[in-house]
Amino acid sequence: EVQLVESGGGLVQPGGSLRLSCAASGFTFNNYWMYWVRQAPGKGLVCVSRINNDGSGTIYADSVKGRFTISRDNAKNTLYLQMSGLRVDDTAVYYCVRDRKGLDTSLDYWGQGTLVTVSS
Amino acid sequence: DIQMTQSPSSMYASVGDRVTITCRASQGISTWLAWYQQKPGKAPNLLIFGASSLQGGVPSRFSGSGSGTDFTLTISSLQPEDFAVYYCQQTNGFPSFGGGTKVEIK
Repeated sequence: EVQLVESGGGLVQPGGSLRLSCAASGFTFNNYWMYWVRQAPGKGLVCVSRINNDGSGTIYADSVKGRFTISRDNAKNTLYLQMSGLRVDDTAVYYCVRDRKGLDTSLDYWGQGTLVTVSS
Repeated sequence: DIQMTQSPSSMYASVGDRVTITCRASQGISTWLAWYQQKPGKAPNLLIFGASSLQGGVPSRFSGSGSGTDFTLTISSLQPEDFAVYYCQQTNGFPSFGGGTKVEIK
């Protein structure tokens, strides 16, 4: 069974840093591109970042570029999101998500999410 | 960047109703479109990819159609467990999502 379990969320002050982790199991992690998708309270879905299967290629939404860094440790089956310079509008549930591995970028497995709250 | 627009943003429907949700892309995306269902407090669930291909385990009452810029998600006979928020996503490169359509009980 595919499982994605996020951790590392919490309350942080504006300007602070936080590192999210996502432990993957039930599939061959190093075969899949992975994403972080966030959802602000009561709002829609926004893709924050993507990393290819070996970690050599990354892409970021403009809203987080230069502040967030996505990475992965394939030996530990773990995806990361290092967040710095956090702003109030970064407050959201952050989901770890797997690419379906088809010809497109549909997303077939999602973690339960971890809440990041940026507030003074 | 490709912008995705859904309509309506919310709707009321009854069990047994046929429900149609539309999604428009700001530029042509062929059939690079997916649909998701999200229930309160839960992560989204993939329903359809490639505009019309049903993800495994998804009931056949869900269907998708369209190509280019205009797409629809249809629920042929709404069931109690279908009351949720539905999102479209363009799947041609870095993902972007529509704003969501909330289907509520009439």
